[in-house]
Amino acid sequence: DGGITQSPKYLFRKEGQNVTLSCEQNLNHDAMYWYRQDPGQGLRLIYYSQIVNDFQKGDIAEGYSVSREKKESFPLTVTSAQKNPTAFYLCASMGQSNYGYTFGSGTRLTVV
Amino acid sequence: AQKVTQAQTEISVVEKEDVTLDCVYETRDTTYYLFWYKQPPSGELVFLIRRNSFDEQNEISGRYSWNFQKSTSSFNFTITASQVVDSAVYFCALSERTYKYIFGTGTRLKVLA
Repeated sequence: DGGITQSPKYLFRKEGQNVTLSCEQNLNHDAMYWYRQDPGQGLRLIYYSQIVNDFQKGDIAEGYSVSREKKESFPLTVTSAQKNPTAFYLCASMGQSNYGYTFGSGTRLTVV
Repeated sequence: AQKVTQAQTEISVVEKEDVTLDCVYETRDTTYYLFWYKQPPSGELVFLIRRNSFDEQNEISGRYSWNFQKSTSSFNFTITASQVVDSAVYFCALSERTYKYIFGTGTRLKVLA
């Protein structure tokens, strides 16, 4: 079955460390997105990519980095510059027509 | 500027009651899309419906129905005869031509047995 796989489901990070969240899709979708979800704040866009080797900053890109070397993969790195990284991170993809995102099951990141 | 407002933070109903979740949006574009997603406790957002700005027809899908009114910039979602499995957080979202979505803050629905 086609879908989006995010790993790991839970991730713990020490302060000052960089961590990378994985997002892989087998839907042949061109566009991929990373959102951050905090309690009571809905989802906020971090980065998005509409084509391989190209990506754009979203509304809260500071402290994050991404790459898009393959169509199937869009990893997100949370760097030590991100002051408050504890959150639920959701990856999504979309095909050529705007029929709606397909979401992964998310990664819950906690700074310890 | 784009904005989506879900004023209801949390709603509790007893099973079999009908419940309406409100969504009000702001946009300057004449072409846009509106969505509803369901987020069960597992965390994954599940697509429920898309509506484009040129189609104001209401839609019914089983126990779910949606009322889109451009005159009031609202896209409300009604669950008829609610069930415990409907308990989740529901998000309304707006997308303009860039295909970036703006989400509301969500409404947590609790259906009590």
